Amino acid sequence: DTEVTQTPKHLVMGMTNKKSLKCEQHMGHRAMYWYKQKAKKPPELMFVYSYEKLSINESVPSRFSPECPNSSLLNLHLHALQPEDSALYLCASSQEVPASGQHFGDGTRLSIL
Amino acid sequence: AQSVTQLGSHVSVSEGALVLLRCNYSSSVPPYLFWYVQYPNQGLQLLLKYTSAATLVKGINGFEAEFKKSETSFHLTKPSAHMSDAAEYFCAVSEGLGNQFYFGTGTSLTVIP
Repeated sequence: DTEVTQTPKHLVMGMTNKKSLKCEQHMGHRAMYWYKQKAKKPPELMFVYSYEKLSINESVPSRFSPECPNSSLLNLHLHALQPEDSALYLCASSQEVPASGQHFGDGTRLSIL
Repeated sequence: AQSVTQLGSHVSVSEGALVLLRCNYSSSVPPYLFWYVQYPNQGLQLLLKYTSAATLVKGINGFEAEFKKSETSFHLTKPSAHMSDAAEYFCAVSEGLGNQFYFGTGTSLTVIP
């Protein structure tokens, strides 16, 4: 069982839909991350939240909108996505000191029709 | 600037043989180093980490890695491969600043019965 929970596990949506991905952790970690991963590739960093504030945005298109309602939750709002956005979206968390490494959820497999 | 190089995108070993997955890094400061494993349709799981204590680090599932500063390497080994070790392996580095982690391109391990 992973300590970072992501929902839904699978999502199929059209290019005009609006949906949200959710991530939850109860380890007391104060840094949370969104990554995009294509098949057989390493995770690509999208966003980092530190103490519930957005600290890193890796030039992600505005059709992806992150939100951190509290220290345990992280959302990724999706709108008007493109077929190339189909990927595995991973959430991770870590202690503020990165030496502990990151804990990953099992991801949401997103398919854009 | 940091970077991580994993030599060999695909490695095949026979069951019971030594596993050696290579990772070299570049960092301007003593880094934190990590190995992650990813099984199909799952997130990344932390195998082990180097955080400036012992240079030989033992992890889960019988894996270990040795930090060699002179070679800027952090290679992952396991004395005897099991079929269940077949997965994608990622090396990652952090300088401990800004919650940034940098991943290598990954090595796909195949175990031949």
